[in-house]
Amino acid sequence: SQELEQSPQSLIVQEGKNLTINCTSSKTLYGLYWYKQKYGEGLIFLMMLQKGGEEKSHEKITAKLDEKKQQSSLHITASQPSHAGIYLCGADLNTGNQFYFGTGTSLTVIP
Amino acid sequence: EAGVAQSPRYKIIEKRQSVAFWCNPISGHATLYWYQQILGQGPKLLIQFQNNGVVDDSQLPKDRFSAERLKGVDSTLKIQPAKLEDSAVYLCASSTLTGWATEAFFGQGTRLTVV
Repeated sequence: SQELEQSPQSLIVQEGKNLTINCTSSKTLYGLYWYKQKYGEGLIFLMMLQKGGEEKSHEKITAKLDEKKQQSSLHITASQPSHAGIYLCGADLNTGNQFYFGTGTSLTVIP
Repeated sequence: EAGVAQSPRYKIIEKRQSVAFWCNPISGHATLYWYQQILGQGPKLLIQFQNNGVVDDSQLPKDRFSAERLKGVDSTLKIQPAKLEDSAVYLCASSTLTGWATEAFFGQGTRLTVV
C-alpha cells in the first residue's frame, strides 16, 4: 500500500476550468510538498506546507494542508495548457528522515 | 546557481547488460538521493547519502543495484545485470539537510529503457 495516495489518478479538463488534486497520508505529516513534473523531466518544486491549516498560493495554484485529516489539496484556478503535467505530493512521514512521494496525478488541459 | 546535473539523459540497453548513471549535486548539498520512477507511478527512493555515508538503502535491490558517493560529492548508480522491469526514469536529488525542511532540488533524470 502507498503511504501517500493521490486522487484523481488522472484528470482531463478544458482550458479555463478549475480543478483540485488531493493527497492523503496514512501517517502523520511532517511537512507536505507539492511538485510538478513534465513528462520525461525532473521534478519542479511548487510549494511547501508545514502547519495545519496553512495555505499557500503561487500564481493560479493554491495548496492547503489539513493536518488533522492528514490531507492536502492543490487547486488550480482557470487552468491553462501550461499547467499540464504530473503533480506529485511528497512528505516526511516519520522523523523527518524518510521522504515519500504520492502516486501522482496526470493533468491534461485541452485548449 | 547550477542545478543538479545528471547524465546520460537517455539510455537504451539490452537485458543482462550493465549501465551506470552519474549525478553531480548542487555544491554544498550534503544529502543526495536516487529515486526510481516507473511510468505511471510516483518516484521510489532507492538510496539516500549523507556526505559519503548511506542513510537509507532499504529499497535498493542490492543483488543488482549499487551506488556510491565517493568524496561526498558526485554519485554513481549502477545496475548489473539489468532486467526489463528496470525500465524507468532515475532521478537524482540533493538537499542541505537529511530531512526535507528545505526543498530538495532534482535533476532532469535519466530515462532507461531495457529491451
